Amino acid sequence: AQKVTQAQTEISVVEKEDVTLDCVYETRDTTYYLFWYKQPPSGELVFLIRRNSFDEQNEISGRYSWNFQKSTSSFNFTITASQVVDSAVYFCALSEAAYSGGGADGLTFGKGTHLIIQP
Amino acid sequence: DAGVTQSPTHLIKTRGQHVTLRCSPISGHKSVSWYQQVLGQGPQFIFQYYEKEERGRGNFPDRFSARQFPNYSSELNVNALLLGDSALYLCASSLEDPSYNEQFFGPGTRLTVL
Repeated sequence: AQKVTQAQTEISVVEKEDVTLDCVYETRDTTYYLFWYKQPPSGELVFLIRRNSFDEQNEISGRYSWNFQKSTSSFNFTITASQVVDSAVYFCALSEAAYSGGGADGLTFGKGTHLIIQP
Repeated sequence: DAGVTQSPTHLIKTRGQHVTLRCSPISGHKSVSWYQQVLGQGPQFIFQYYEKEERGRGNFPDRFSARQFPNYSSELNVNALLLGDSALYLCASSLEDPSYNEQFFGPGTRLTVL
């Protein structure tokens, strides 16, 4: 069965500090997809990134960067020069291979990391 | 373009009642998935529909059912409500196969069961 672990329940940093959110996953599939979502206080989940299991290239988007390491089953998320607007709950999620007749399992989410950026 | 819409926004029911939640996907999206998010937890997968067929079902009792209509909108039904059904119910849509395409989430319906 697939599983996502976000060990950091809550992180609090001062604005402009860099912060890394950890994500460790478990899956028996060789083809899978990893996602990060942001959930601000309004409640709506906002898609941030998708990465497939065959693409281990790190990605940078502005102040956001992601480090995918299959060897350690980790998909960590770093925010550089954090801002108060980054305060939210961040979820890492996993989706296994496309539908093969056995049914789809949807996204498996971690429990989330509550990130607090203090001014 | 409008995002995923859900109705109602909030709902209060009593134990034993029935509830219907509605979701309209982003225009052109063929897949809808439903998730339950209990306070302080990550969303839990309930159902996935793609091209009007049920693709998958999470570990939820038969009191939970859903369907997708020809216009790709969807309903989630919950019978015989329990206190533990109180949660934020999220609907997500994706353009194609949701296994590997990003899913776009709606604002959710917050259900309170008294």
